[in-house]
Amino acid sequence: GESVGLHLPTLSVQEGDNSIINCAYSNSASDYFIWYKQESGKGPQFIIDIRSNMDKRQGQRVTVLLNKTVKHLSLQIAATQPGDSAVYFCAEMRAAGNKLTFGGGTRVLVKP
Amino acid sequence: ETGVTQSPTHLIKTRGQQVTLRCSSQSGHNTVSWYQQALGQGPQFIFQYYREEENGRGNFPPRFSGLQFPNYSSELNVNALELDDSALYLCASSLLPRGASKNIQYFGAGTRLSVL
Repeated sequence: GESVGLHLPTLSVQEGDNSIINCAYSNSASDYFIWYKQESGKGPQFIIDIRSNMDKRQGQRVTVLLNKTVKHLSLQIAATQPGDSAVYFCAEMRAAGNKLTFGGGTRVLVKP
Repeated sequence: ETGVTQSPTHLIKTRGQQVTLRCSSQSGHNTVSWYQQALGQGPQFIFQYYREEENGRGNFPPRFSGLQFPNYSSELNVNALELDDSALYLCASSLLPRGASKNIQYFGAGTRLSVL
């Protein structure tokens, strides 16, 4: 079936440390993946995306890694800041699809 | 800010009533997708509208319906409200058709619906 799952519901990280958020997906037809950040009272905010023909993509302080062999992707946040505290969702879309399938989310708590 | 606006921000209804939620898409976008987000969960796809027609639907009953207007704004209508319909309703705008360019969906802040 189609599903996108997160390994940990909550991640507590010290300010300044790196954060790694993991996500597993089950559908081999998924070819496009997006990470969203959702702060309290707001809608999901686009962070970074990656297509299945890539295994790594970098943005500002963020890196997404995709391992198609084990159907796993991760989001790495460098030098985590208090403003990074939020719920992070991975989402996937299939090649001919139009809908995003979201995982359950990981809450990141940044400790001062 | 994504440029996607939703109204109202909050709404309280009673079971059995009908509700209409509204969404204005980002400038230059022609597609609107609607998602339902229950508390503590990820958003779930309801349906998508492209060129004023439904372009895909998730696992939601027919009492969830929608419209898209020539200016690409959209409405989500829910009839015969049930308690389980209480959720955050999100709309996202994007540009179709998909191609080599990105097809990122940009979300609004959502409408919080409470059904009593």
